[in-house]
This record gives sequence, structure tokens and C-alpha cells, in this order.
Amino acid sequence: DIQMTQSPSSLSASVGDRVTITCRASQIIYNYLNWYQQKPGKPPRLLIYGASSLHIGVPSRFSGSGSGTDFTLTISSLQPEDFATYYCQQTYNTRYNFGQGTKLDIK
Amino acid sequence: EVQLVESGGGLVQPGGSLRLSCAASGFIFSSYEMKWVRQAPGKGLEFISYISSSGRTTYYAESVKGRFTVSRDNAKNSLYLQMNSLRVEDTAFYYCAREGCSNGVCYLDYWGQGTLVTVSS
Repeated sequence: DIQMTQSPSSLSASVGDRVTITCRASQIIYNYLNWYQQKPGKPPRLLIYGASSLHIGVPSRFSGSGSGTDFTLTISSLQPEDFATYYCQQTYNTRYNFGQGTKLDIK
Repeated sequence: EVQLVESGGGLVQPGGSLRLSCAASGFIFSSYEMKWVRQAPGKGLEFISYISSSGRTTYYAESVKGRFTVSRDNAKNSLYLQMNSLRVEDTAFYYCAREGCSNGVCYLDYWGQGTLVTVSS
């Protein structure tokens, strides 16, 4: 089974900060890695697919990188609406595991 | 506009059953694989099931295998999750989601708002 581990589990930052969240897979998943944003009481929203492709309508301050086992989600300049929980997900195999989530809140 | 609307959640006793529905609109439902993802209150996301566009192929996470059954009716643009032998640990919000794919990479691009299933005596 592929384990997805995100770090950190929580993060405090300020508006305008550059933030990076890391996701590590327990085996090589090439670029089969997606990132989602979830706000309280709402379903997840797709941000990045294929490790680095921005989903339609997602602001360009979000970017993804990585391949193999190590991936990052970067928010270049935090906006108030970006405070949320972020999840990575592998789609290399049918189990489609998610990471445990990274909660980003206001410092 | 793509819309997914879940229904059928509620309070059920341990060992009971529920059937969740997901009504799809705004896209050609019969062309897409569909997924069920759940989230226990205050916890992370757990992928539990998928069904191919034709309905011929299904998959279940170990946590629900043998107890849950996914199905679809393409004529009605609807996805279903039959949940039997429910356990307290099945308490969660249940989301249906559409799978999109691009250049061989797949992702969940549209999600319903979720329906809450509470298993308690």
C-alpha cells in the first residue's frame, strides 16, 4: 500500500507569506499526485493535478512541483481565502490514498 | 454547470443499512468514472469506492469491502452506495466525486456537498 505523508501537519502564516507544503510517497508514483484545498463545511477543491498542472480557475499563486516520491505545493503570496486544509492524493494505483492533511491558519 | 448532489444520509444504529444517492447533472454522466470519498468529523479524507463509467468495474477500500456496494444508473444520471452492516467507525460525511483525466493523469475534479452518516445506538 502506498503511504502519503504530508509535512507539516499544521502551519501558521501571515497574509503575503510564501508557504510550502510537502508530500512524500512511500514508493515512486511518478507524477500521479494531486493537491486539494478544503475549507470547513465544504467539500475538497482540486488545485493541482499531475504534480504541477493548475486546475481551471485556480489562481496562479498556487503551484506544484516534484516527481517520483517527493512533491511540494507552494502558495507564493498567501491571501486571506487561502487559510484552509490541504491534502495531497496519489492516483498511481487504484487505492487513491490521501495524505493526512496540512492545516494552514493565520499567525 | 457540473453538479453532484448527495442524499440519503442520516442516523442509523450499528448493524443497520443506508443507501446513499448522488444525482449528477451538467455533464455526460455515462462517460465518467465516479468515486465515493468519506471524511469522519474533524478527520482526513478516505477514498472508499469507485465505479467505472459502464458500471462493470468496481473497487472498494478494505475498510468497507464486503459491506458496501457501489452502483450506478446511467439512464438516471445517478450513483449509489449501499451500506450494510454499518459500524460506529463508518460515521462520516460521504462525498461523491467525478474523476477527470488529462494526459493519463486522473483526479477528482468535481465533488458533491456531502451527506452525513451517523452510526450510533
